[in-house]
Amino acid sequence: QLELTQSPSASASLGASVKVTCTLSSGHSSYAIAWHQQQPEKGPRYLMKLNSDGSHIKGDGVPDRFSGSSSGAERYLTISSLQSEDEADYYCQTWVSDIHVFGTGTKVTVL
Amino acid sequence: QVQLVQSGSELKKPGASVKVSCGASGYTFTHYPVNWVRQAPGQGLEWMGWIDTNTGHPTYAQGFTGRFVFSLDTSVSTAYLQISSLKAEDTAVYYCAKYCSSTRCNGAFDIWGQGTVVTVSS
Repeated sequence: QLELTQSPSASASLGASVKVTCTLSSGHSSYAIAWHQQQPEKGPRYLMKLNSDGSHIKGDGVPDRFSGSSSGAERYLTISSLQSEDEADYYCQTWVSDIHVFGTGTKVTVL
Repeated sequence: QVQLVQSGSELKKPGASVKVSCGASGYTFTHYPVNWVRQAPGQGLEWMGWIDTNTGHPTYAQGFTGRFVFSLDTSVSTAYLQISSLKAEDTAVYYCAKYCSSTRCNGAFDIWGQGTVVTVSS
């Protein structure tokens, strides 16, 4: 069954970097995912599509400090030079045929 | 610019129905499917299904069959989510999202509506 696993929380200091992990379930390690950001009391915002080889294309207006990478079944979102507005929930999303799945979300706290 | 604008908050009694709208602008509505996503209070995102904006054919995720109906009015580039026989557990924010089928983001949801809060309470 296609599932995405995320750690509930991550934190880093203002100006530092934080890495958020999304793990694909067994048998699905080659799948692409998408990352979405949800700031407090706002709707989600598409950040990027991330392929299994680590290549990624960001959405319009997404700051350069957001980047993606991959290793095996793991997909990463790295936020560099952390800003206060980056404090948000981050969700990964994947799909197979007509079915879409979201990860459980990771709350990023800026210390 | 490309955007999805949803209808306003709704307060309904148990057993009633609600219809949420999602109006598209800035792109050809019938070229990209619309997905629906639910977010219960304090919870994560849950995919509800999608509607083919070209044919009007809906696909519902497990757990969203029966009381949930997706529909379209292509003349005004709008998708609808109707929920009937509302229950307290339907209280949530409902989002529509545009499916991306271009090579740069194929498969992802690249544009989201702002969300519609539906509260079910007696």
